[in-house]
Amino acid sequence: GAVVSQHPSWVICKSGTSVKIECRSLDFQATTMFWYRQFPKQSLMLMATSNEGSKATYEQGVEKDKFLINHASLTLSTLTVTSAHPEDSSFYICSAPRHSGNTIYFGEGSWLTVV
Amino acid sequence: GESVGLHLPTLSVQEGDNSIINCAYSNSASDYFIWYKQESGKGPQFIIDIRSNMDKRQGQRVTVLLNKTVKHLSLQIAATQPGDSAVYFCAESQAGTALIFGKGTTLSVSS
Repeated sequence: GAVVSQHPSWVICKSGTSVKIECRSLDFQATTMFWYRQFPKQSLMLMATSNEGSKATYEQGVEKDKFLINHASLTLSTLTVTSAHPEDSSFYICSAPRHSGNTIYFGEGSWLTVV
Repeated sequence: GESVGLHLPTLSVQEGDNSIINCAYSNSASDYFIWYKQESGKGPQFIIDIRSNMDKRQGQRVTVLLNKTVKHLSLQIAATQPGDSAVYFCAESQAGTALIFGKGTTLSVSS
């Protein structure tokens, strides 16, 4: 079964609205989670590192005010796409390392379509 | 900045052939490497990993080779099957930091 769960799997929203995507570690605590974005026929691009109890670290070129990340607990990180626009339509996926086994798990991903 | 790249964007093979997918990385400090398979519409699926203290690791029908001298990583798939058709990504990380993905190679297997 899934070790990292992501919700929703897909979402359609209107331009200008905000969308929240959740990433949960199901049977382990994740002090760090990573958020990626993947456009069609491209690779996964790291957007930000989500740190439990502190501010996220954003990669160069990623707007922190547009992509709000909250990691309020050891099992949940959320990515909120604010004032979404059609160009934000993409596949968003999170990952979480489980240090006890030194393994990295990925969520199932979330398809966002902004119309 | 440093990044992970792939030599070929596409690879076409016949069913039963062996496939070799290559990857060049530029961060000499990377100590962990993973190969992922991604099918259309899905997230990346772990295939095999290798740490920098090894140069070869074998799994079921797959082998990963790491050449740290030239910073090269390869994935070998034995007896390739149509179900192996997908996009393959190599990824690297350093000391538990986020994985950085390469551009991807599309593997097409024909019967």
